[in-house]
Amino acid sequence: AQKITQTQPGMFVQEKEAVTLDCTYDTSDQSYGLFWYKQPSSGEMIFLIYQGSYDEQNATEGRYSLNFQKARKSANLVISASQLGDSAMYFCAMREGRYTGNQFYFGTGTSLTVIP
Amino acid sequence: DAGITQSPRHKVTETGTPVTLRCHQTENHRYMYWYRQDPGHGLRLIHYSYGVKDTDKGEVSDGYSVSRSKTEDFLLTLESATSSQTSVYFCAIRNPEAIGGSHEQYFGPGTRLTVT
Repeated sequence: AQKITQTQPGMFVQEKEAVTLDCTYDTSDQSYGLFWYKQPSSGEMIFLIYQGSYDEQNATEGRYSLNFQKARKSANLVISASQLGDSAMYFCAMREGRYTGNQFYFGTGTSLTVIP
Repeated sequence: DAGITQSPRHKVTETGTPVTLRCHQTENHRYMYWYRQDPGHGLRLIHYSYGVKDTDKGEVSDGYSVSRSKTEDFLLTLESATSSQTSVYFCAIRNPEAIGGSHEQYFGPGTRLTVT
């Protein structure tokens, strides 16, 4: 079974609108971490936001927030007030184990296009 | 920015030739990773290292070997390159000993490898 599932290959959003990118995960561990990365067309991988499995509040970093629903095993990324520079691939990832888990699992990504 | 470099950044090689990719870090992080990125697959882990001379396989390790003789360098070798190994290769580092924080991975700029 896939550890990370991103079901939206491509998304479009109007500039200044909010958009939600979906991510579901599969693990039997109690302790794990969830991450979102952005990959612009230039190719680099940029860390955006992190949510620990024991964190009770949803993580936020500026315009990024992570909608963490543990019972549903979902970790959706919400981008508020979209900007043209948000057009990129977005990857959801999971690390099993609190700090010492060795492997990260990535989803297949969602391509976001922001329309002026 | 994390101090991670990859060399070469681009390489074209012929089927059957050996190829070595180098990842160099200046952060003294214990964990280093090699991924390949292919359309429709996201990032898939090839091998990782949790210290000098300590390495382990990821989900797509067939046809690849690695070596880590120094903390700062992690080498990925394709013993006999095949066209299916045409991909973009990313190196990443992580510091599991950091106090607090998310212990995210930091990525290098990537190496685009074409096997003809």
